Amino acid sequence: GAVVSQHPSRVICKSGTSVKIECRSLDFQATTMFWYRQFPKQSLMLMATSNEGSKATYEQGVEKDKFLINHASLTLSTLTVTSAHPEDSSFYICSAIARLNEQFFGPGTRLTVL
Amino acid sequence: AQRVTQPEKLLSVFKGAPVELKCNYSYSGSPELFWYVQYSRQRLQLLLRHISRESIKGFTADLNKGETSFHLKKPFAQEEDSAMYYCALNRAGTASKLTFGTGTRLQVTL
Repeated sequence: GAVVSQHPSRVICKSGTSVKIECRSLDFQATTMFWYRQFPKQSLMLMATSNEGSKATYEQGVEKDKFLINHASLTLSTLTVTSAHPEDSSFYICSAIARLNEQFFGPGTRLTVL
Repeated sequence: AQRVTQPEKLLSVFKGAPVELKCNYSYSGSPELFWYVQYSRQRLQLLLRHISRESIKGFTADLNKGETSFHLKKPFAQEEDSAMYYCALNRAGTASKLTFGTGTRLQVTL
């Protein structure tokens, strides 16, 4: 089956710094990837749709200048959390669209901002 | 706007008992419904989608457009079924974004 990887799996950073999270489709090409945020014991909240070669589409209430998304190739999308603050601490999950419009999810990245 | 409702946060059943995880949706167009499962410390994975009409790991789900429901059922629960289950919806035939329900934790006990 299609595999999506994320790097890093967990990251701890200081408040005010920026953190980049990578999402890769390992054995397929994905023109569309999605970024989600998941709080403890809660559902996934879609943050943005990442489109290869064009600007990301952000959901209402998500600051595009805060969460920078770059989808530079058909196998890689990156999410950069800029000037991170403790309230940005969360579990970030990406997914990629593969065959038959099925979404495959990455394992997630746990971000802790001190 | 599309919406997915999973009324139960936690469902606890005994091993061998039937399971029904409820999911209701609201959507003005033609929906495609999914069930995703997240086992402990694992990534979210697709369990089944209504267009496939499959039975996966003994689970089935039928789309009832009249009741706008897509309940997940299994006749005999197993311990390994314990996980978080999410119902999700998107616009049929498109690679569009998914709207997830809040999830139901299924706990199967001996």
